[in-house]
Amino acid sequence: EAQVTQNPRYLITVTGKKLTVTCSQNMNHEYMSWYRQDPGLGLRQIYYSMNVEVTDKGDVPEGYKVSRKEKRNFPLILESPSPNQTSLYFCASSRRTGGEAEAFFGQGTRLTVV
Amino acid sequence: DQQVKQNSPSLSVQEGRISILNCDYTNSMFDYFLWYKKYPAEGPTFLISISSIKDKNEDGRFTVFLNKSAKHLSLHIVPSQPGDSAVYFCAASTQAGTALIFGKGTTLSVSS
Repeated sequence: EAQVTQNPRYLITVTGKKLTVTCSQNMNHEYMSWYRQDPGLGLRQIYYSMNVEVTDKGDVPEGYKVSRKEKRNFPLILESPSPNQTSLYFCASSRRTGGEAEAFFGQGTRLTVV
Repeated sequence: DQQVKQNSPSLSVQEGRISILNCDYTNSMFDYFLWYKKYPAEGPTFLISISSIKDKNEDGRFTVFLNKSAKHLSLHIVPSQPGDSAVYFCAASTQAGTALIFGKGTTLSVSS
């Protein structure tokens, strides 16, 4: 079954404690990205990757890091989480960027930073 | 500045009637538009899309209309069903783009 898998689904952490949210896709997609969803703001892109070892900033990259060492995995790293990073996070993958770029989303990770 | 706008945060419709969700965009470089549906506690799922060279695309109960001159698209659901109750996101992309640009979403409630 084609899918994007995120872990964990729910996470409560304290300010400043480094955390990683994992994302894995089994569709051999080149393009992967991270979004955050906040009330009244919709989905905003954090980082994206067009292929292995190729990553770039999206609209709201501050406070986040990513890596793409393998095609299937695209972890999101919060080196020093802060309360304003409390949000619902989605990983997405697609065959290509732009145009007919139907993206497949993971089920989301609800992060609370206290 | 928002490039994709969904100005109605919510819409309530009775079962069997038509639901019309609207979306406006400002970037004339967008050439592909997509609608995603999102249930609580799940990720968005792709619903239907349309290329800028078309003005209509239909898939079962779902039809998307594109008016390029007005920079406006709409999603029609006919007939609406209670299972259609969800948040609907409009998204746009360009051929050379690196992201889907999403609107803020419209919450559709279909009552039986």
